[in-house]
Amino acid sequence: FVMTQSPLSLPVTPGEPASISCRSSQSLLQRNGFNYLHWYLQKPGQSPQLLIYLGSNRASGVPDRFSGSGSGTDFTLKISSVEAEDVGIYYCMQALQPPFTFGPGTKVDIK
Amino acid sequence: QVQLQESGPGLVKPSGTLSLICAVSGDSINTGQWWSWVRQSPERGLEWIGEIYHSGSTNYSPSLKSRVTISIDTSNNYFSLNMNSVTAADTAVYYCARGNRDLRRAFDIWGRGTLVTVSS
Repeated sequence: FVMTQSPLSLPVTPGEPASISCRSSQSLLQRNGFNYLHWYLQKPGQSPQLLIYLGSNRASGVPDRFSGSGSGTDFTLKISSVEAEDVGIYYCMQALQPPFTFGPGTKVDIK
Repeated sequence: QVQLQESGPGLVKPSGTLSLICAVSGDSINTGQWWSWVRQSPERGLEWIGEIYHSGSTNYSPSLKSRVTISIDTSNNYFSLNMNSVTAADTAVYYCARGNRDLRRAFDIWGRGTLVTVSS
C-alpha cells in the first residue's frame, strides 16, 4: 500500500477553508463497509494526534471544523474554517493490513 | 487517562542493538488493544515498525522484520522494542502508540517520542 498526499505544502488564511487529498494504491474499503483510512495531525514539536478514523469519524475532542470523506482509494480531509492552532503536518495512514503505511504528509502553515 | 512513555538509550553504536521500553499507565496493557512502535526521520517520514497484541501475537514491517523483536510484559504493563544490527539509517524519533481495536487500529494514544541516534 503506497499512500500519496497532495498538496505537500498548503499555506492557509485563517477563517478560510482548506482541503487535503490522500490516495492509496489499493482500495481501503473492507467488506464490512469501513474504509481503513485514518488522519493524523502533528503539531510543531509534538507527537502525531488522531484526527479522523475510518475515513470520516472525528476522534474524541476533535473540533467539528474537521471532516473526512472518501472511499476506496481517494480520501479528503477538510477544514471548514482554518484556525491558527491548526498548523502542522497532516498525515493519512492505511490500517487495512500490516504493514501500516503513512502518506508523506501535508504541511499546513499560515500565509 | 491512558499515557505512554518511551525510555531507553539515546545513543547506540553502529552494529549494536537498540532497546526501548514503552510504559503504559492509566490502564492495563491487557485490555485487548494493539501496541505499536512507529519511528520518524526526515528521510523516511513516519514509518510503522510493528505491533503486538496482549496475547503476544505480533506483526512486523517486512523491511525491518529480520532485525526487530517486539515483546510485552503484562505483569509490569509495558512493551518493548529491540532492533539489532543498527546503522545510521536507524537514527530517528521512536514513538510507541496504542492501536485502538474499536477504532480499527487507529493510533489514538501516542508517547512523546524518544530520539535515538546511531553513531560511534
